[in-house]
Amino acid sequence: ELKVEQNPLFLSMQEGKNYTIYCNYSTTSDRLYWYRQDPGKSLESLFVLLSNGAVKQEGRLMASLDTKARLSTLHITAAVHDLSATYFCAVDITLSQFYFGTGTSLTVIP
Amino acid sequence: KAGVTQTPRYLIKTRGQQVTLSCSPISGHRSVSWYQQTPGQGLQFLFEYFSETQRNKGNFPGRFSGRQFSNSRSEMNVSTLELGDSALYLCASSFSGAGELFFGEGSRLTVL
Repeated sequence: ELKVEQNPLFLSMQEGKNYTIYCNYSTTSDRLYWYRQDPGKSLESLFVLLSNGAVKQEGRLMASLDTKARLSTLHITAAVHDLSATYFCAVDITLSQFYFGTGTSLTVIP
Repeated sequence: KAGVTQTPRYLIKTRGQQVTLSCSPISGHRSVSWYQQTPGQGLQFLFEYFSETQRNKGNFPGRFSGRQFSNSRSEMNVSTLELGDSALYLCASSFSGAGELFFGEGSRLTVL
């Protein structure tokens, strides 16, 4: 079965600092997705990465995909409190069947 | 453009009862999939429907079932509820089933 692992599971960081969340998956896939979830809320799509070497940036977040290494990263630059949330990566290998990572709970401390 | 709408948002049931959850996808989206989210198991795929046909099913017991109507709206049903069925049930839609999923706010089920 496909496994998707994220690390760290919990991340507490100070405002203004940089950090990277890692997402490893166990089978071949050219498609990887990043979602954000606020407490009690649904999943909000952040990035769709559809090929090896894909890099996308939105504000203080940048995501990249290395399909050969089966690795995606979500880099946070100069964190702000509004980025506090849980971040999930997901891989799909069949129709609409996403395999989600365990999630990374990010807390940005003023 | 309206997003994915799920009803009810919250519900409480007792063991042995059954429950039906509803999902209206984004207009024009024909694929609807369902996920269960729990603290212990995370996000797990239940099933996916496209044009009223179930195309894919996750590893859940037969107590979990679903259907899709001609207007792409979908329902899922859980019969003979167990305590472990307490979860956030998320519905997601996409145009064809391939690619980005758009999630609804979820239905939070508590089984007592």
